[in-house]
Amino acid sequence: DAKTTQPPSMDCAEGRAANLPCNHSTISGNEYVYWYRQIHSQGPQYIIHGLKNNETNEMASLIITEDRKSSTLILPHATLRDTAVYYCIASNAGGTSYGKLTFGQGTILTVHP
Amino acid sequence: EAGVAQSPRYKIIEKRQSVAFWCNPISGHATLYWYQQILGQGPKLLIQFQNNGVVDDSQLPKDRFSAERLKGVDSTLKIQPAKLEDSAVYLCASRLTDTQYFGPGTRLTVL
Repeated sequence: DAKTTQPPSMDCAEGRAANLPCNHSTISGNEYVYWYRQIHSQGPQYIIHGLKNNETNEMASLIITEDRKSSTLILPHATLRDTAVYYCIASNAGGTSYGKLTFGQGTILTVHP
Repeated sequence: EAGVAQSPRYKIIEKRQSVAFWCNPISGHATLYWYQQILGQGPKLLIQFQNNGVVDDSQLPKDRFSAERLKGVDSTLKIQPAKLEDSAVYLCASRLTDTQYFGPGTRLTVL
């Protein structure tokens, strides 16, 4: 699986958009970009994933650059409950590694009142 | 839809004792994973099951860790004997198609 690089920490004001970047310059053509988050003392929670196109769901939007070497997770109106560690993961879409997640250190997002 | 269930939520043991964790995946999910998460780090995969067969156990310390999923549903992870460095949160996840869903984890403290 391709290695991903994320900033160790970010801050965001409540009500503003939180934009979390992720670099995955060695991503291969059949690797999806997944985002999970982990709130303190809970298991990781799935947010969104995509291959090439931008994706949006009720939680967030995922913007993937055309060359697929980086992506941005957007939380449109951050709340205090969005304070968590956010993980960006490149995961193989096929073969024996299908669905396998390799977690890095993630980005600690702190939402301030 | 019920999520992934794990028990116990917390466990404190002394080193050299044994301990077991239980996981009930989301109904119908054929793939089940066990992860170890040490404080301050991301989860690390220990073992992956597809139904009742092991797909990947390359990161499982097999001298002390074992896991089974006999009927392809529930799974048990065991540590025997435990070491101080086994103190961590043990997470279970299950997958039907392309997304893993995680349980709340079991926090193990080895004294």
